[in-house]
Amino acid sequence: GAVVSQHPSRVICKSGTSVKIECRSLDFQATTMFWYRQFPKQSLMLMATSNEGSKATYEQGVEKDKFLINHASLTLSTLTVTSAHPEDSSFYICSARNSNYNEQFFGPGTRLTVL
Amino acid sequence: DQQVKQNSPSLSVQEGRISILNCDYTNSMFDYFLWYKKYPAEGPTFLISISSIKDKNEDGRFTVFLNKSAKHLSLHIVPSQPGDSAVYFCAASAFETSYDKVIFGPGTSLSVIP
Repeated sequence: GAVVSQHPSRVICKSGTSVKIECRSLDFQATTMFWYRQFPKQSLMLMATSNEGSKATYEQGVEKDKFLINHASLTLSTLTVTSAHPEDSSFYICSARNSNYNEQFFGPGTRLTVL
Repeated sequence: DQQVKQNSPSLSVQEGRISILNCDYTNSMFDYFLWYKKYPAEGPTFLISISSIKDKNEDGRFTVFLNKSAKHLSLHIVPSQPGDSAVYFCAASAFETSYDKVIFGPGTSLSVIP
């Protein structure tokens, strides 16, 4: 299957700082990438859909000014958590869609801990 | 309102026996269903999927059954192996109304006991 990478895999930061997470499709072009968040023992919650070259579409309740998404190329999308707070601590996972519209390939996830 | 439900948060099965994971959905517009497997601190990996035009799809030890009238699907794993121990997410999408968007259930943690 296709490979999606995320960087960093773990990040610890102080409250008030911004953190950028990268999501890359390594062997295919992803016109659409998705960002999910998972709280402990809970399901994956879709945060936003990112289309290359256009603004991201955010799900209800997700602050677009808080979670900045950029999809500058067909292989890279970034999620920036701005002015992070402890309640932003979570596991963030991206996925990328290939030409088969219902097939998404997930990255390994990024564990964010805000102190 | 949870559109995809997995009412069993956990399941324990003896190695070699069958594991049956259940999933119910409420949105009749869903037309494609997927199962993902997830280990702790890793991203989910795709297991198997089924289109609403089918009622069964099989891939090796994994079979997914879909009952559209009951809005119910299940994943059967036989024989179960210790390496199958993971959290299994049921997911659904509605191509006509929400292209690309996949809605996940809360997951079922499967433990296969050697």
